[in-house]
Amino acid sequence: DAKTTQPPSMDCAEGRAANLPCNHSTISGNEYVYWYRQIHSQGPQYIIHGLKNNETNEMASLIITEDRKSSTLILPHATLRDTAVYYCIVHNSGGSNYKLTFGKGTLLTVNP
Amino acid sequence: DGGITQSPKYLFRKEGQNVTLSCEQNLNHDAMYWYRQDPGQGLRLIYYSQIVNDFQKGDIAEGYSVSREKKESFPLTVTSAQKNPTAFYLCASSPRYSGTSKETQYFGPGTRLLVL
Repeated sequence: DAKTTQPPSMDCAEGRAANLPCNHSTISGNEYVYWYRQIHSQGPQYIIHGLKNNETNEMASLIITEDRKSSTLILPHATLRDTAVYYCIVHNSGGSNYKLTFGKGTLLTVNP
Repeated sequence: DGGITQSPKYLFRKEGQNVTLSCEQNLNHDAMYWYRQDPGQGLRLIYYSQIVNDFQKGDIAEGYSVSREKKESFPLTVTSAQKNPTAFYLCASSPRYSGTSKETQYFGPGTRLLVL
């Protein structure tokens, strides 16, 4: 799986949009971009994934650049409960590599 | 209420003792996984299973064993051969062979193992 680069930490005010960037310049054509988050001492929670089109669900939106070398996860109205480590993962869907490679992620702190 | 359950939440192991961590899913997923997480680190894959009665070693299988006798269950045994077992253990499952999100892994709440 391709390597990803994320900022180690970000802050966001409660009620504002949180925009979390991720670089994946070596992504290949059959690799998806996945986002998970992990609240302290809990299991990772799946947020969203996409291949090349922008995606939206009840939790977040995923914007993938046209060249697919970077993406942004958007939490439209951040709450204090969104404070967590956010992981951007590139994964080959349907390939023989079954593990998800979690890097160090971005610690998002939502402030009141 | 569908999901993945892990028990216990905390587990204490004495030196030389084997312990078994439970993982159950009612999502009808084909594949199940065990990861280990150390403080401030990412997840490392211990074992995975794509189908009942079959499993494969991950990156750090030494000192661990698993079984997959039922689709919904994938217990992990931490044996006395695992010299540094203190960690947060996470179980996950994925549909694997069906649906558009067949590779998406869903995680349980985790079990924290501590050595006395």
